[in-house]
Amino acid sequence: SQKIEQNSEALNIQEGKTATLTCNYTNYSPAYLQWYRQDPGRGPVFLLLIRENEKEKRKERLKVTFDTTLKQSLFHITASQPADSATYLCALGRGGGNKLTFGTGTQLKVEL
Amino acid sequence: GAVVSQHPSWVICKSGTSVKIECRSLDFQATTMFWYRQFPKQSLMLMATSNEGSKATYEQGVEKDKFLINHASLTLSTLTVTSAHPEDSSFYICSARSYTGTSGDEQFFGPGTRLTVL
Repeated sequence: SQKIEQNSEALNIQEGKTATLTCNYTNYSPAYLQWYRQDPGRGPVFLLLIRENEKEKRKERLKVTFDTTLKQSLFHITASQPADSATYLCALGRGGGNKLTFGTGTQLKVEL
Repeated sequence: GAVVSQHPSWVICKSGTSVKIECRSLDFQATTMFWYRQFPKQSLMLMATSNEGSKATYEQGVEKDKFLINHASLTLSTLTVTSAHPEDSSFYICSARSYTGTSGDEQFFGPGTRLTVL
């Protein structure tokens, strides 16, 4: 069966450092992968989408890589700030607007 | 960016009653809307996919007679939890996608509705 794994433990880092979150998947051939941010009691907020034929995508302080051979995506936040503290979800999808399958999420805490 | 709203943001009801949750796309037409459920410290679980003007497609294990979905227009989908029980208490989140988006693959999420069944 399809499985999407993210760091189950919370990630604590110091302000200014780069946070790196991982998303690994098995038994899945996604056409694209998305990263979302979710704050407590709120819906997810879309951050980045990367397609299977793309290796890397950047948006401001965010960078996503996608390795379909390793079946892994890495999500980086550079110059992290306390405001970046949240749960980050990866989601995989196939083309044509098909449904997304979400990972369990990783809680990031950026400390002063 | 595309905005999706949900109403109500939270609701408390008695066991056995029905609750309706609305999901609206405010600045775009949503040909497809999705309903998710999220339990504490767990990820989003897709319940159903609804396309405007057609019946919803439910995920395995989701009772379609209990969770009624109506997608009557391109900007509104509703989820009705019928005969709610305490185990239905959860965070319900909708999302919408539009073919007019940059890729058509992004989903825009609502803020969620917290349902508590006493």
